[in-house]
Amino acid sequence: DVKVTQSSRYLVKRTGEKVFLECVQDMDHENMFWYRQDPGLGLRLIYFSYDVKMKEKGDIPEGYSVSREKKERFSLILESASTNQTSMYLCASSPPGLAGEGGELFFGEGSRLTVL
Amino acid sequence: AQKVTQAQTEISVVEKEDVTLDCVYETRDTTYYLFWYKQPPSGELVFLIRRNSFDEQNEISGRYSWNFQKSTSSFNFTITASQVVDSAVYFCALRASNTGKLIFGQGTTLQVKP
Repeated sequence: DVKVTQSSRYLVKRTGEKVFLECVQDMDHENMFWYRQDPGLGLRLIYFSYDVKMKEKGDIPEGYSVSREKKERFSLILESASTNQTSMYLCASSPPGLAGEGGELFFGEGSRLTVL
Repeated sequence: AQKVTQAQTEISVVEKEDVTLDCVYETRDTTYYLFWYKQPPSGELVFLIRRNSFDEQNEISGRYSWNFQKSTSSFNFTITASQVVDSAVYFCALRASNTGKLIFGQGTTLQVKP
């Protein structure tokens, strides 16, 4: 059974803390993504990666960074957490699918982060 | 710019009613893909369907059907004879052919009451 696993379902952190959200996929996918989900805003792309050590900014990268040292693992880092980063964070992966291929995303269960 | 709009924030129906979830998209690309995902209360998004821009045939899968119309840039999703288990948040998404990124709509929360 293919799977995207996010390390923590629920986290509570304080303003200014450094936060790591970990994501691991076992499907040998090249592409990995981090989205945040907020009511009324849907899912917004933070960062994505097409390969190991590669990263590209999504639509809302400010305040975040990422790390992809291994193909199966994609980490989201909040260098100094702020209250406006309280949200649901969703990791996803997909096979290398560009023109002509499907490329649907497979999602983890999400990490709900609360910053106090 | 690419954009997906799901104008219906919340829909509430009684079991066995039919319900249609609307999705309107904007893109300048000639080749693109459209998706629907379901997010049940557990939180994990579940892939439902993918259509490419060259295939405008409607699709039916059990109680689910999708109506893709390029003329109106819409990709609507209909659930026939809804069930309580259909209660979830449904997302429509768009992907251009030259990128792996999905752009999501705001989501529609569907509540099916017994």
